[in-house]
Amino acid sequence: GAGVSQSPSNKVTEKGKDVELRCDPISGHTALYWYRQSLGQGLEFLIYFQGNSAPDKSGLPSDRFSAERTGGSVSTLTIQRTQQEDSAVYLCASSFGPPGNTIYFGEGSWLTVV
Amino acid sequence: RKEVEQDPGPFNVPEGATVAFNCTYSNSASQSFFWYRQDCRKEPKLLMSVYSSGNEDGRFTAQLNRASQYISLLIRDSKLSDSATYLCVVSLNTGGFKTIFGAGTRLFVKA
Repeated sequence: GAGVSQSPSNKVTEKGKDVELRCDPISGHTALYWYRQSLGQGLEFLIYFQGNSAPDKSGLPSDRFSAERTGGSVSTLTIQRTQQEDSAVYLCASSFGPPGNTIYFGEGSWLTVV
Repeated sequence: RKEVEQDPGPFNVPEGATVAFNCTYSNSASQSFFWYRQDCRKEPKLLMSVYSSGNEDGRFTAQLNRASQYISLLIRDSKLSDSATYLCVVSLNTGGFKTIFGAGTRLFVKA
């Protein structure tokens, strides 16, 4: 596609359930990033992929969070046993090559845990 | 100390005003610098890259001072549509690549 595509755009889930968020980066972009942004707050880095490997997982807030990327393209962010504090918009971004190049963001997946 | 720090804001300015945002970064190995703009409940979008010699794009001027580890963004002749949050972004390679976003500075331009 022309831009970074994320799904679902909105998700309401019950506390304790697992959720999967999907990101389809811009075609040809080798780097993929996940960020989290709570309402009125700044961007919180979660994880970065170069190809299928994740050289930097330092931002994942707990072991309930995991992410994978397959085929150097689509990535999935999984949150297990969701908590109310997980409510936020999860932004995926991609860039051609490593960081230092322009990062393009998707519109985000808005997660609400009730 | 945060790796990227920005003016806390918010900045409230009238239309036509000139406004400047500052950003400091802590890691001298930082290599690439950007300003992004984020509208309310929207994703961040690139406003402009920041080059060592300084660069201008219409009403927007960005400057970099590597010695002081300082980046600035100047907006001249502010428009209502400039109201947004401006994010300072730094990329570096310290054995692994990293892109760090500042917390952002909110700008409100009023008629």
